Amino acid sequence: EIVLTQSPATLSLSPGERATLSCGASQSVRSSYLAWYQQKPGLAPRLLIYDASSRATGIPDRFSGSGSGTDFTLTISRLEPEDFAVYYCQQYGSSLTFGGGTKVEIK
Amino acid sequence: EVQLVQSGAEVKKPGESLKISCKGSGFSFTNYWIAWVRQMPGKGLEWMGIIFPADSDTRYSPSFQGQGQVTISADKSISTAYLQWSSLKASDTAMYYCARRDSGWKPFDFWGQGTLVTVSS
Repeated sequence: EIVLTQSPATLSLSPGERATLSCGASQSVRSSYLAWYQQKPGLAPRLLIYDASSRATGIPDRFSGSGSGTDFTLTISRLEPEDFAVYYCQQYGSSLTFGGGTKVEIK
Repeated sequence: EVQLVQSGAEVKKPGESLKISCKGSGFSFTNYWIAWVRQMPGKGLEWMGIIFPADSDTRYSPSFQGQGQVTISADKSISTAYLQWSSLKASDTAMYYCARRDSGWKPFDFWGQGTLVTVSS
């Protein structure tokens, strides 16, 4: 089973700042089948990025994904107030696994 | 409009059985896989298993397979997937989400609102 490790666990930033979230895999993720989800308190997760770098329908272009192999990154170019949430990566190229999450909080 | 509507919150005692549901609408239910995801209080997301309602092909996460921990099923005639327990434990207390996955190597593109299951004596 592929283990995904997200870092940092918590990211404290101000609105307008750039956020960089990392997701490391214990083995290479097949064909970059990696997704990112956003979860706000009390709500279900929402798909942001799939196939490592493709934005899901309706996702603003301040969200971008990159990476391949075992190292992936989610970047939020300029944080908006509604972006403060928990973010999870998921690989779906070999069964399915989630990372432990990164909380982006207001500094 | 795509919708996955889950059944309401449940409060159960240890040892009791339970079946929760996830009803799809606004899309062809038999063309998608339906997954179940657990989120324990204050914790992250855990994939439990997935079913293809068209033929009931079911896969379980190694963490949730064995000893009949949970059973995933579906009734394609009413576009509904189910997650059931035969004997609940306190450690089953969690929010449970269903999510849709297209065929092939795809992520979960749409999620239900979640069902909170509380197991307490």
